[in-house]
Amino acid sequence: EVQLVESGGGLVTPGGSLRLSCAASGFTFSDVWMNWVRQAPGKGLEWVGRIKNKGGGGTTDYAAPVKDRFTISREDSRNTLYLQMNSLKTDDTAIYYCTTNDAFDFWGRGTMVTVSS
Amino acid sequence: QSVVTQPPSASGTPGQRVTISCSGSSSNIGTNYVFWYQQLPGTAPKLLIYRNNLRPSGVPDRLSGSKSGTSASLAISGLRSEDEADYYCAAWDDSLSAVVFGGGTKLTVL
Repeated sequence: EVQLVESGGGLVTPGGSLRLSCAASGFTFSDVWMNWVRQAPGKGLEWVGRIKNKGGGGTTDYAAPVKDRFTISREDSRNTLYLQMNSLKTDDTAIYYCTTNDAFDFWGRGTMVTVSS
Repeated sequence: QSVVTQPPSASGTPGQRVTISCSGSSSNIGTNYVFWYQQLPGTAPKLLIYRNNLRPSGVPDRLSGSKSGTSASLAISGLRSEDEADYYCAAWDDSLSAVVFGGGTKLTVL
């Protein structure tokens, strides 16, 4: 059974940093592209970015609002995906989900990030 | 304002057929696959349709997807109360080099 478990969310002040993790199991993590998608309270879904697998070059792509502030990485030996978030803004307040592949076929339950003073 | 546009709401009675539209442009829907997701209140989204019209295992065949030009649609026939949820379309956008989601459609079963 595929499982994705996000962690690391919490309350942070504007300008601060936070690192999210997504622990994967039930599939060959190293074979798949991984994404982060977020959802602000009461709002729709917003793609944050993705990281390809090693075969795909391991490259990353980011949405414009987070580019140069957020960094996605992966540790295939630990079946774990990361999202390093720097220079956080109040607009970054959201539930952050990790999802698999270009189809977003599996999702975690998400972790809440609140940016507030 | 979303690059891909969905109606904010839709409704139908049990047993009816409902269609949700998703309108984009040549850089997203016109060129790339469309995906559809269902989000029940308080839960994570779930993939319903991938590559325009394919259903993952476990998704009933009363749900179907289609695409024509720069628009796509999700059809739900034999509407049930458990279909009441938010629905999102998504596609890769070549100009933005990003995945774009529609703003979401809240489906109410009357």
